[in-house]
Amino acid sequence: GENVEQHPSTLSVQEGDSAVIKCTYSDSASNYFPWYKQELGKRPQLIIDIRSNVGEKKDQRIAVTLNKTAKHFSLHITETQPEDSAVYFCAAPRGGYTDKLIFGTGTRLQVFP
Amino acid sequence: DAGVTQSPTHLIKTRGQQVTLRCSPKSGHDTVSWYQQALGQGPQFIFQYYEEEERQRGNFPDRFSGHQFPNYSSELNVNALLLGDSALYLCASSLKRRSGTGDEQFFGPGTRLTVL
Repeated sequence: GENVEQHPSTLSVQEGDSAVIKCTYSDSASNYFPWYKQELGKRPQLIIDIRSNVGEKKDQRIAVTLNKTAKHFSLHITETQPEDSAVYFCAAPRGGYTDKLIFGTGTRLQVFP
Repeated sequence: DAGVTQSPTHLIKTRGQQVTLRCSPKSGHDTVSWYQQALGQGPQFIFQYYEEEERQRGNFPDRFSGHQFPNYSSELNVNALLLGDSALYLCASSLKRRSGTGDEQFFGPGTRLTVL
């Protein structure tokens, strides 16, 4: 069935360093890949997404890359700051429907000052 | 422009009881999806409501049911509660495109359900 794998499960970096989180998906029909940030006790918030017609998308310090052939996509955060500390989830659509998502298991990012 | 709202914020129930959770979508959205997020895990898709009908359903038993009202708000009902139903229940709203696929989802703050 449809599956999304996410690595690593935890990631600790020094402030100012870069962080990379990787996800793989199984459904070749998937065409939309969002990333959500969830702070402790709060709702998941969409931080960036990418559709299958592009290979990379940037928004200030955040970027997402997509390799459809290999079925993987990655989140890149540059110049990390302590407020980037949170759990990050990747997701892929079920059956091609962008509003029915399968989530990865999450990556707990800690940025140390 | 109101975002997604959910009520109640917290709920404590005992095994065997029934619970109803409520969600109001973001203004302009017509689709509500429900997710269960167990502690330390990613959200799991329960089902989606559009045009007052249940659309796709995830791997959840029929103890989980729902409803959508003409104003697009939605309820999630869980019968015969089990300890394992303890989780954060999130609803997410979106706007269906004419093609049938949805746009990006916006999540509500969630309802924390504890089953004792």
